[in-house]
Amino acid sequence: GAGVSQTPSNKVTEKGKYVELRCDPISGHTALYWYRQSLGQGPEFLIYFQGTGAADDSGLPNDRFFAVRPEGSVSTLKIQRTERGDSAVYLCASSRGMRNEQFFGPGTRLTVL
Amino acid sequence: GQQLNQSPQSMFIQEGEDVSMNCTSSSIFNTWLWYKQDPGEGPVLLIALYKAGELTSNGRLTAQFGITRKDSFLNISASIPSDVGIYFCAGQRSLTQGGSEKLVFGKGTKLTVNP
Repeated sequence: GAGVSQTPSNKVTEKGKYVELRCDPISGHTALYWYRQSLGQGPEFLIYFQGTGAADDSGLPNDRFFAVRPEGSVSTLKIQRTERGDSAVYLCASSRGMRNEQFFGPGTRLTVL
Repeated sequence: GQQLNQSPQSMFIQEGEDVSMNCTSSSIFNTWLWYKQDPGEGPVLLIALYKAGELTSNGRLTAQFGITRKDSFLNISASIPSDVGIYFCAGQRSLTQGGSEKLVFGKGTKLTVNP
């Protein structure tokens, strides 16, 4: 596809469960970013990858959050022991890594009951 | 987490009017970007600015990178109903200034256009 895609578009889970959110970046984009957006707020940075490695994971709120990008393309954000406060829209973006024009996917809306 | 100061929070205007919104920071950024977000969708990039003082246009949109590198504004001329949405500013610091490629966002300006 032409743009960043994210699956699922919606995820409802129960407190304490494990979830995985997937991001498929624009083809050829080397950098991939995860952000979290709560209602009425701007996106907040979680982690970014340059190729396969996490170049900056300073935004991950705690060790329940983890992300991987094993082949330098698709990335998965993993959340263990979900809490109600994890409910938000999780956005993924990608860029060529040169002028940092980040292009966003539609997001995954996570609801933790 | 850190967010930029964006104002106004919301605007209600008549179709055809011009709109101005701005973003300020206590820290220097070396890139400023403006995004628009519609309900249920991800932010869409409108304009990117890379140099202090730079003024860039994209159709009816004009944005400027403040000379101090701590602010930016976005103008929309002759608004139309499809301009409705939430507009976000975002800043980025370079690695040499202790930053990274991450973007720091404002809280958004919600624009309503009455036909």
